[in-house]
Amino acid sequence: NAGVTQTPKFQVLKTGQSMTLQCAQDMNHEYMSWYRQDPGMGLRLIHYSVGAGITDQGEVPNGYNVSRSTTEDFPLRLLSAAPSQTSVYFCASSYSSIGDTQYFGPGTRLTVL
Amino acid sequence: KQEVTQIPAALSVPEGENLVLNCSFTDSAIYNLQWFRQDPGKGLTSLLLIQSSQREQTSGRLNASLDKSSGRSTLYIAASQPGDSATYLCAVRRVDSNYQLIWGAGTKLIIKP
Repeated sequence: NAGVTQTPKFQVLKTGQSMTLQCAQDMNHEYMSWYRQDPGMGLRLIHYSVGAGITDQGEVPNGYNVSRSTTEDFPLRLLSAAPSQTSVYFCASSYSSIGDTQYFGPGTRLTVL
Repeated sequence: KQEVTQIPAALSVPEGENLVLNCSFTDSAIYNLQWFRQDPGKGLTSLLLIQSSQREQTSGRLNASLDKSSGRSTLYIAASQPGDSATYLCAVRRVDSNYQLIWGAGTKLIIKP
């Protein structure tokens, strides 16, 4: 199993550009989520999904969109990048939403100029 | 509002020492608590998960305890090794707000050979 994969590993954007961060898992997990990690702060939940076709907002959803058309994939879209979105983004998955261990991807380091 | 604090932010100890990392949380109404390890440039790896009804969990040289009434968890690392150098994060899962994980900012641990 590849586990949770994320692409790209690094990305530089200009303010106002849009892009999609890709996340895929091959463990047949129902629950997937996106976090951002900023220096000196804990991870913050952006969006999550409890299954294909179902998504919901987390703590910091503004400026981001998600969709979940398959169990395996959970892309994160930045609509119009802003410098405040400079961060490291992690995708995670687990079998269920509450009781199980979460598995994380290696992260995407995004810089917005 | 649930807040998770990890003190100290960084810790450096000689190889072979036993050490304790601390995690405190403000609301005792939690579903579970997890400890993760993060290596530079990599994703997070789950170390231990403690359900709210449990007092401790052990895995190899790691032992995590949970005291809900005092809002504290500790991660004990026995006979530390240079390979234990990493950032250790704790996260509590709330019983409200869709069972989201609330994260501490982490303790960066350096084991000196």
